[in-house]
Amino acid sequence: AQKVTQAQTEISVVEKEDVTLDCVYETRDTTYYLFWYKQPPSGELVFLIRRNSFDEQNEISGRYSWNFQKSTSSFNFTITASQVVDSAVYFCALSDPNKDDKIIFGKGTRLHILP
Amino acid sequence: EAQVTQNPRYLITVTGKKLTVTCSQNMNHEYMSWYRQDPGLGLRQIYYSMNVEVTDKGDVPEGYKVSRKEKRNFPLILESPSPNQTSLYFCASSLFRGDETQYFGPGTRLLVL
Repeated sequence: AQKVTQAQTEISVVEKEDVTLDCVYETRDTTYYLFWYKQPPSGELVFLIRRNSFDEQNEISGRYSWNFQKSTSSFNFTITASQVVDSAVYFCALSDPNKDDKIIFGKGTRLHILP
Repeated sequence: EAQVTQNPRYLITVTGKKLTVTCSQNMNHEYMSWYRQDPGLGLRQIYYSMNVEVTDKGDVPEGYKVSRKEKRNFPLILESPSPNQTSLYFCASSLFRGDETQYFGPGTRLLVL
């Protein structure tokens, strides 16, 4: 069965600190996609990144970076020099394009950036 | 502008009063789905549709209906809402089954009294 675990329910850091959000996934499939979404207080879901299972290259986008490690089934998300606007709930998700394309979401990590 | 729209954004209703939440996308996407988000449970899929007239159940379909008569629209119907359907609902679409990115609507907050 597929599963996504975000063990950190809630994190608080002071502005400008770096913070890493953990994501561990389970799947028996060799082909899958991993996602991160941001949900700010306004409620909408904002797509951040998609990574396919054959691409383990880490990615950096401005202050955001993602570390994908198949050996540990993890897809962690790091925010460098955090800002108050980064305060949100962040969801990690997994999908298998060969199985009805359903996205399995983790339960989310609520991130508070304190000024 | 490419987008997924939902209406209404907020809705308060009473138990048993039928309601419909509309979802529309302007990207000619084949695949559409509905999710509900509840505290501590993340997002769970209710129904999905791979194309016109093709729909199937997700993880939590009980108490919901959907239809896909046109490619762009995928309404969610609650025939007899109950308080346990109070939730935040998201519609999503993607170009086709297996496409890696789903686009989400802005969400509909539903309160059933």
